[in-house]
Amino acid sequence: DQQVKQNSPSLSVQEGRISILNCDYTNSMFDYFLWYKKYPAEGPTFLISISSIKDKNEDGRFTVFLNKSAKHLSLHIVPSQPGDSAVYFCAAISGGSEKLVFGKGTKLTVNP
Amino acid sequence: DTAVSQTPKYLVTQMGNDKSIKCEQNLGHDTMYWYKQDSKKFLKIMFSYNNKELIINETVPNRFSPKSPDKAHLNLHINSLELGDSAVYFCASGGRGVEEQYFGPGTRLTVT
Repeated sequence: DQQVKQNSPSLSVQEGRISILNCDYTNSMFDYFLWYKKYPAEGPTFLISISSIKDKNEDGRFTVFLNKSAKHLSLHIVPSQPGDSAVYFCAAISGGSEKLVFGKGTKLTVNP
Repeated sequence: DTAVSQTPKYLVTQMGNDKSIKCEQNLGHDTMYWYKQDSKKFLKIMFSYNNKELIINETVPNRFSPKSPDKAHLNLHINSLELGDSAVYFCASGGRGVEEQYFGPGTRLTVT
């Protein structure tokens, strides 16, 4: 039972363009969402998060959008850089829980 | 100076053996976690310890036993290894907010 779904296993964009990574969830109890970035042979690193009381959170080149009615969130990277090439995991958690639920990840490749 | 370290990085062993993976964090966090990333790339929580006390214990076979000698260490011992245990195991530590989970580099376990 996949509560957090990342339906695109891979995405390829040109340097300087926008990268949009999508994530859907099924559990309406989730109220906090996170994106993690993972390079090969390394552990995931926290990138950006958003609370369910917001619909947008921005940090530099990274913006996360949340559409609660659609149970959908997306991560926008503008402009994309080759160093952004990595696997991006969407994760979610419900209030009072300590369990992060992860999606399968989307591999982003930014071509120079 | 590594925040969350795991040893070994790679572990190849035969079915039926017993093995341990060690994890240490120098971030001063109270909570530590073990995650498993299987062949389908799902990253799933296995255990969580807070100040040496077990908080989360997912439906993991009892062949897996976490041990926390102090709050900076959370080791994972696996008895009677099976082929299906082959995966990458990540240790993580967290502060007060879930977004502060810091992951180790992972241990790739291969059971032959």
